[in-house]
Amino acid sequence: DAGVIQSPRHEVTEMGQEVTLRCKPISGHNSLFWYRQTMMRGLELLIYFNNNVPIDDSGMPEDRFSAKMPNASFSTLKIQPSEPRDSAVYFCASSFRQGAEKLFFGSGTQLSVL
Amino acid sequence: AQSVTQPDIHITVSEGASLELRCNYSYGATPYLFWYVQSPGQGLQLLLKYFSGDTLVQGIKGFEAEFKRSQSSFNLRKPSVHWSDAAEYFCAVGALGQGGKLIFGQGTELSVKP
Repeated sequence: DAGVIQSPRHEVTEMGQEVTLRCKPISGHNSLFWYRQTMMRGLELLIYFNNNVPIDDSGMPEDRFSAKMPNASFSTLKIQPSEPRDSAVYFCASSFRQGAEKLFFGSGTQLSVL
Repeated sequence: AQSVTQPDIHITVSEGASLELRCNYSYGATPYLFWYVQSPGQGLQLLLKYFSGDTLVQGIKGFEAEFKRSQSSFNLRKPSVHWSDAAEYFCAVGALGQGGKLIFGQGTELSVKP
């Protein structure tokens, strides 16, 4: 299995632009998670899906952030409009069950908003 | 409040020496505990996890961790460190029914001297 695949690996954009991050979970996994990693706040869970349905989005920082999972093999995290404070590494992870099971992480998207 | 504390931001050990990385947690429910490792530019990889039972758990790459409920600790150990162990290590806590809503510590960066 190729693992969790995220794209792009790096994204540099200007403040105010829309940014879309993509994730393909491991085939057969039914839970998907979006995390954000910054020096100041460490790793934070933004949102997670179970069977393509958003279960908990309490970690989404504000309305500029949105996430979708149209099918079991694809998810997007969108920031519109982007701001410099959104600069971070965004990780997608998937797991077989919703419970506190083993998470498989993608390699992340390094986002820089200028 | 739920939290994970890794007191050591950076540790340097000599190759072949033993290693202990500290982790303390504060969590209301029965905790599920994890150690993840992150190599530069990569996502997180699970080293080991504790759900219940034997409080000494074995993981991959020769790592082990011991759950001590009385001390709210879950320290990671390795008897002999290899240069390839240089990475950042994250302790995390979750609970049954909380999905992948893991709370991560700030991480400990491990450097290995030849």
